[in-house]
Amino acid sequence: QSALTQPASVSGPPGQSITISCTGTSSDIGTYNLVSWYQQHPGKAPKLIIYEDNKRPSGVSNRFSGSKSGNTASLTISGLQAEDEADYCCCSYAGSRSYAVFGGGTKVTVL
Amino acid sequence: QITLKESGPTLVKPTQTLTLTCTVSGFSLSTSGVGVAWIRQPPGKALEWLALIYWDDDDLYSPSLRSRLTITKDTSENQVVLTMTNMDPVDTATYYCAHIPRSYTRHFDYWGQGTLVTVSS
Repeated sequence: QSALTQPASVSGPPGQSITISCTGTSSDIGTYNLVSWYQQHPGKAPKLIIYEDNKRPSGVSNRFSGSKSGNTASLTISGLQAEDEADYCCCSYAGSRSYAVFGGGTKVTVL
Repeated sequence: QITLKESGPTLVKPTQTLTLTCTVSGFSLSTSGVGVAWIRQPPGKALEWLALIYWDDDDLYSPSLRSRLTITKDTSENQVVLTMTNMDPVDTATYYCAHIPRSYTRHFDYWGQGTLVTVSS
C-alpha cells in the first residue's frame, strides 16, 4: 500500500482536460511544497514533469500543470493527446518520516 | 547532458547480497548540492525510494530498509554503488538511479534506464 493515494485510472478523449489527484497527509503533502509528478511510458524510466508542487522543468509541455490544496495535490493535463497515454505518479517529501514517498500511480487512457 | 546508467546482476539468489552500480556523466558527484538516489519498482507496482547520497557523502536511507542498505560513491570513477543484503523474492524489481539537482530540493530530474533484478533460487 502506497503512502500517497492516487486513482488507479483516469481517461478522456483527445483535446479534453483531465485531473489526477494525489492524497497524502499533514506530514507530507500538507506541510511541504515539495510534490513532484512523473510520467512513465511502458518499459521506460519515469520522467519528471512537475516539481515543487507546480513548477515545470524546461522542455515539458505547458499542457501539464500542478496544484495543491491541503493534503491533496493534483496534476492537470489539458488538451489531452495520444502521447499522454502513460502512468503518472506523484511523490512528496515526508520530513523525518522519509525523504520521498510515492503514490501508487494512475494510468491515463486517451479514448 | 546528464545521463545515468545502472549496472549489476540480473539474477540473485535469496539471502545473497545485491550490488548495483550507477555510472553518471554530464555532472560531477563532487558538485555542491548534487545527489544521487536509488529508487525501485516491482513489476506492475509503485515506485519506492531506497537511499541517496550527496556530494558531501551525507546519506539517507528508507526507514523500512535501512538495516539492509549501504550507499557509497566514488567521485573519481563517477559511480554510486548500492548494496542490499539478504535479498528476498519480494525484492524483485527494476532498480533506478536518479539525479538530485540541489540538496534543498526533493525531486529527481534525471533517471537512468533502470535494471531489472530478479531474486530466485
